[in-house]
Amino acid sequence: EIVMTQSPATLSVSPGDRATLSCRASQSISSALAWYQQKPGQAPRLLIYAASTRATGRPARFSGSGSGTEFTLTISNLQSEDFAVYFCQQYNDWPLTFGGGTKVDLK
Amino acid sequence: QVQLVESGGGVVQPGSSLRLSCEASEFVFKTYAMHWVRQAPGKGLEWVAAISYDDGFNKYYTDSVKGRFTISRDNSKNTLYLQMDSLRDEDTAVYFCARPRVRGVLFFDYWGQGTLVIVSS
Repeated sequence: EIVMTQSPATLSVSPGDRATLSCRASQSISSALAWYQQKPGQAPRLLIYAASTRATGRPARFSGSGSGTEFTLTISNLQSEDFAVYFCQQYNDWPLTFGGGTKVDLK
Repeated sequence: QVQLVESGGGVVQPGSSLRLSCEASEFVFKTYAMHWVRQAPGKGLEWVAAISYDDGFNKYYTDSVKGRFTISRDNSKNTLYLQMDSLRDEDTAVYFCARPRVRGVLFFDYWGQGTLVIVSS
């Protein structure tokens, strides 16, 4: 099983800041990585797939990068609606696995 | 607008069974693989099971549910199922059904609202 490790667990930021979230895979997954945003009481929402492709309708302030084992989600000019938990997911191999999440909260 | 509506959750005792349903609408259900993903209270996401499109011949499970859970589909009813047997405390979670963006990919554009399963004595 490919283990996905996200860091930090919590990121405290202010509106307008840039947030950088990391996701590491226990073995190479090429670019088979997706990022999701989840707010309390809601289902996850797809943000990024193929490591760096924004899902339809997602704001340009969300960007993804990386390949192999190291990946980054960057949120530029963070807005109030971006405070949420973010999960990465690898889909290179079965079983599909998610990271433990990074909570972005208000500093 | 794609819709996925889960049902069937509830409170059950360890060792018992439960069947979850996910009714799909506004897309051609039989042409998509479908998945179940769960989230324990206050925890992260865990992929549970997947079933291939059309006849659902191919099924995949995470190790912790193999032999206990069975995923199935009824294309005539546009419905996905998860039969959960021998339930354990650690199966307590919100269960989401999820659909990939397009056929052949394994990330999820569409999610239901989830149904809560509590396993407790």
